Amino acid sequence: AQSVAQPEDQVNVAEGNPLTVKCTYSVSGNPYLFWYVQYPNRGLQFLLKYITGDNLVKGSYGFEAEFNKSQTSFHLKKPSALVSDSALYFCAVRVLDGNNRLAFGKGNQVVVIP
Amino acid sequence: KAGVTQTPRYLIKTRGQQVTLSCSPISGHRSVSWYQQTPGQGLQFLFEYFSETQRNKGNFPGRFSGRQFSNSRSEMNVSTLELGDSALYLCASSGRDRGSSGELFFGEGSRLTVL
Repeated sequence: AQSVAQPEDQVNVAEGNPLTVKCTYSVSGNPYLFWYVQYPNRGLQFLLKYITGDNLVKGSYGFEAEFNKSQTSFHLKKPSALVSDSALYFCAVRVLDGNNRLAFGKGNQVVVIP
Repeated sequence: KAGVTQTPRYLIKTRGQQVTLSCSPISGHRSVSWYQQTPGQGLQFLFEYFSETQRNKGNFPGRFSGRQFSNSRSEMNVSTLELGDSALYLCASSGRDRGSSGELFFGEGSRLTVL
């Protein structure tokens, strides 16, 4: 079964420093991977996705993610974190049952310290 | 282009009552999915509808049900509410057909509190 794991509960980073949120995946076949962000009392906003092609995927708000097949990872990165990046981040993988279902990780709370 | 619209945004119910939540997908999207989000269980898949047919269902009791109308709008219903049903219920729509690589677009959610 397709699944993702986000090993950390919270990521603290100083404003201006690089931000990394980790995600590893477990799939049979080629993975379709996604990152979403959630602000308090809001829905999930799509950041980026990996389907195929270039291992470095660029997304919204200056975020990017690197797909690493050998390490089965899809870490989210931002070169310089902003206080406004403080939010809950979810990694997700499409469940390959022929439908539009995503399996989400538990989420990572990112706190950017001014 | 309007996004996914969910109503109501907030509601409070008591145990034993039932609740109906509504979701209007992005115009042209025919796939609507529902997810339950709680602090303890995270995001859990409830069900997905496509062209008025339920295509997939998560591991939830029969108290949770849904439907989709011909205009792709969807409703979900929870009967005989329990305290553990307190959660943020998220609706998502997709413009792609089954098994696609398309992302899901989420609404703001309906926060249900059961007292």
